[in-house]
Amino acid sequence: AQTVTQSQPEMSVQEAETVTLSCTYDTSENNYYLFWYKQPPSRQMILVIRQEAYKQQNATENRFSVNFQKAAKSFSLKISDSQLGDTAMYFCASTGSSNTGKLIFGQGTTLQVKP
Amino acid sequence: NAGVTQTPKFRILKIGQSMTLQCTQDMNHNYMYWYRQDPGMGLKLIYYSVGAGITDKGEVPNGYNVSRSTTEDFPLRLELAAPSQTSVYFCASTKGGRDSAYEQYFGPGTRLTVT
Repeated sequence: AQTVTQSQPEMSVQEAETVTLSCTYDTSENNYYLFWYKQPPSRQMILVIRQEAYKQQNATENRFSVNFQKAAKSFSLKISDSQLGDTAMYFCASTGSSNTGKLIFGQGTTLQVKP
Repeated sequence: NAGVTQTPKFRILKIGQSMTLQCTQDMNHNYMYWYRQDPGMGLKLIYYSVGAGITDKGEVPNGYNVSRSTTEDFPLRLELAAPSQTSVYFCASTKGGRDSAYEQYFGPGTRLTVT
C-alpha cells in the first residue's frame, strides 16, 4: 500500500526564522503529484505548495519552498521568515494514482511559531 | 464562485440513525472526493468519483454510501451511525488532468458526533 510518513509530530520555530518539515512517501507510480496542505484551527484545508513528480525543479511559493528528492522519495517543506500566521497543522500528501487524483495523507506536523 | 460547499457544519447523531452529508461544487470539476479526519490524524479517503454516474471506494468505505447523479453534487450517506464514525468529514474536488496537477479544493468540513 502506498504510504506517506511525517516523522515530526510537533515542531516550533521563532518568528522570522526558518523551519523545515519532513515528509517521505512510497509509491510505485511513475507519474504522481505531491502537496503540502496547511490546516489552521479553523480546520479549513489550504494548499501551500504542489510538486509534479516529472519536474526536476523544486517548487516555490513566496516564503514556502520544497526539497524534492525523487530517488529518495522525500518531499520536505521549508518555511522562511516564519510568521505567527503560519502556526497550524501541516499535511504532506501524495496522489495514490496518477489518473484519479486520490490523495494519501501523512499524519501531520503541528507547527507553532513563537513570537 | 462559492467553490466547494458542505452542509451541515455540525451534527450530532444517535447510534443507529442515518443522515446524508451534502457536498456541492460550482467549478465544473469532474473529480470529487470524500475524506474523514479523526482527531490528530491525517485525512483518509472514503469514496471518490471521476465523473457523474461513476463512483468508487477509497481506503475506509465501510458504513458509507455515495451517489453522483450530477457533476455538481456528491452526497455521502451514513447508514446506521456508529461511534466510530465520529469524525470531521471533508469534501473536495478537482478539475483533474496534468494541467491541474489534480490540485484539490476542499470544503469547510462537517463535524459529526455519534453518541
